[in-house]
Amino acid sequence: AQSVAQPEDQVNVAEGNPLTVKCTYSVSGNPYLFWYVQYPNRGLQFLLKYITGDNLVKGSYGFEAEFNKSQTSFHLKKPSALVSDSALYFCAVRDIGDSWGKFQFGAGTQVVVTP
Amino acid sequence: NAGVTQTPKFQVLKTGQSMTLQCAQDMNHNSMYWYRQDPGMGLRLIYYSASEGTTDKGEVPNGYNVSRLNKREFSLRLESAAPSQTSVYFCASSEYEGANYGYTFGSGTRLTVV
Repeated sequence: AQSVAQPEDQVNVAEGNPLTVKCTYSVSGNPYLFWYVQYPNRGLQFLLKYITGDNLVKGSYGFEAEFNKSQTSFHLKKPSALVSDSALYFCAVRDIGDSWGKFQFGAGTQVVVTP
Repeated sequence: NAGVTQTPKFQVLKTGQSMTLQCAQDMNHNSMYWYRQDPGMGLRLIYYSASEGTTDKGEVPNGYNVSRLNKREFSLRLESAAPSQTSVYFCASSEYEGANYGYTFGSGTRLTVV
């Protein structure tokens, strides 16, 4: 079984400050890990993914995420947040070894960036 | 560059009414999915179609049916709508089941059942 947890319902940050959105996961084998962003009244948009290789993954809009196998985490980060980063962020995981597996999505974290 | 198209975008139903949510993708993807999104619960899989001609239940299939009409289209039907089905519904597609490319999502259908 696989699961993903986003421990914070909402993250508040001032514009220009660093932004971190937390994600922890559980899979039987090795994980595929994704971050998606959802703007109001829109569908989810792909931000970045970890499949294999470097633990630090860079994605769209200046976001990056660090895969930490020992802590089973994949936290999303941005060095300097923008008001336009205000959105709902979802972490998703799938077990690499499960060819027919579906992605499990977290409950989402609302990011609010204030001017 | 349409990607995944969902219709309608908004719908209000009375309890007991039926309706079909339409989804079409133009990326030649093999796999398609229907999710519902509820506050604090993230996305929950209703049904999916790994390939044309196949459909399978997901996490929350009760009260829904699906049809994979062809490779492009995957519809979701509510036969007798209930207030508990008030939600935002997303259709998604992927190149194939198990692909590591992730999903492409439609913009959603906001359904209210009164």
